[in-house]
Amino acid sequence: NAGVTQTPKFRVLKTGQSMTLLCAQDMNHEYMYWYRQDPGMGLRLIHYSVGEGTTAKGEVPDGYNVSRLKKQNFLLGLESAAPSQTSVYFCASSKQETQYFGPGTRLLVL
Amino acid sequence: AQSVAQPEDQVNVAEGNPLTVKCTYSVSGNPYLFWYVQYPNRGLQFLLKYITGDNLVKGSYGFEAEFNKSQTSFHLKKPSALVSDSALYFCAVSYGRRSQGNLIFGKGTKLSVKP
Repeated sequence: NAGVTQTPKFRVLKTGQSMTLLCAQDMNHEYMYWYRQDPGMGLRLIHYSVGEGTTAKGEVPDGYNVSRLKKQNFLLGLESAAPSQTSVYFCASSKQETQYFGPGTRLLVL
Repeated sequence: AQSVAQPEDQVNVAEGNPLTVKCTYSVSGNPYLFWYVQYPNRGLQFLLKYITGDNLVKGSYGFEAEFNKSQTSFHLKKPSALVSDSALYFCAVSYGRRSQGNLIFGKGTKLSVKP
């Protein structure tokens, strides 16, 4: 039981490039989330999903898109990366109230 | 609007002493409250939660938290701190449909336990 996994662990992008972050969970959880963590800001919710095929915006959705084509996977896309998107990205999943987090993806946009 | 405040950026404690990490919240209705811990270069780990019932909640690694409705607080405590407890601690409150688990996090408190 791997829990929540994220790929890649670290990535460097140039401004304007695109990329997709992958989150996978093997706990059969309905709900999945993408957060970003910045120093002194805590975690802020980007997008979330309450089930396969559904997504919704969180607190800071601009510049990101998501897809949940399979229950176990939740993808976060950056179409045109900006330096302001330099951050650590965490995925989480939950069945009810408690969220379980992945190890994070560190993204640097130059 | 829902919000969570962690008034201390850092808490310093000597090993063996009791520790408290403070959290206050603002929610409409009855809150669902959580504590998570983050070790360096790791994801967040769930410590404990308050949903309903006994105001004193016990969690992982000997931590506990006390829900105080009148003071709108949910402070994290441990009777005897360990050096290995040094980490970043986040308080969070659930909003929206509770079963979805959407969380608002505080900014985090860095706990440093010295030998």
